Amino acid sequence: DTEVTQTPKHLVMGMTNKKSLKCEQHMGHRAMYWYKQKAKKPPELMFVYSYEKLSINESVPSRFSPECPNSSLLNLHLHALQPEDSALYLCASSQPTRGLAKNIQYFGAGTRLSVL
Amino acid sequence: KNEVEQSPQNLTAQEGEFITINCSYSVGISALHWLQQHPGGGIVSLFMLSSGKKKHGRLIATINIQEKHSSLHITASHPRDSAVYICAVSDETSGSRLTFGEGTQLTVNP
Repeated sequence: DTEVTQTPKHLVMGMTNKKSLKCEQHMGHRAMYWYKQKAKKPPELMFVYSYEKLSINESVPSRFSPECPNSSLLNLHLHALQPEDSALYLCASSQPTRGLAKNIQYFGAGTRLSVL
Repeated sequence: KNEVEQSPQNLTAQEGEFITINCSYSVGISALHWLQQHPGGGIVSLFMLSSGKKKHGRLIATINIQEKHSSLHITASHPRDSAVYICAVSDETSGSRLTFGEGTQLTVNP
């Protein structure tokens, strides 16, 4: 099983709403990632969790709050988002080894978020 | 100047043609990745290379470390190959962070 599952596939929310994106993998990967992708642009890294601990936060605004409750699950909690946060949010996972530099990242299909 | 440059940005081909997408990078790397993204979002890792050449079906990826250049070739292209192809690099200092190229939009017409 090389699947990373993201839910929901589509999400529309208002600027005052609170919602969560979910990501799940059962490959035994201990590194998980959140990316944001705007149209016709490459993905931008937001967060990395390694062994369920936050290891990279790319200066993401606090209205995005990641959570890794266990080794298979990764959540992204959203609150008070802005219209410019509308994008495709991608989750990925990989095997962690020293440096993490040579590991293939397996991506989910993404959640397409629209903020009204 | 971006650390990872891809060319061309857009490529249109007829079914059956041989396709080459190029990637040049300016930093030291430990691995180069070729990714495919279909409309609708999901990204698939095609290859991870640190030297030489890899082949999978009709896809071939090569890398020249001295010249800091990689190519992705598609033989006997098919409309289902239409997608965005993204080159990304990783290095030991940045750990898990991938530096992405801007992508190449490939359209294969029947």
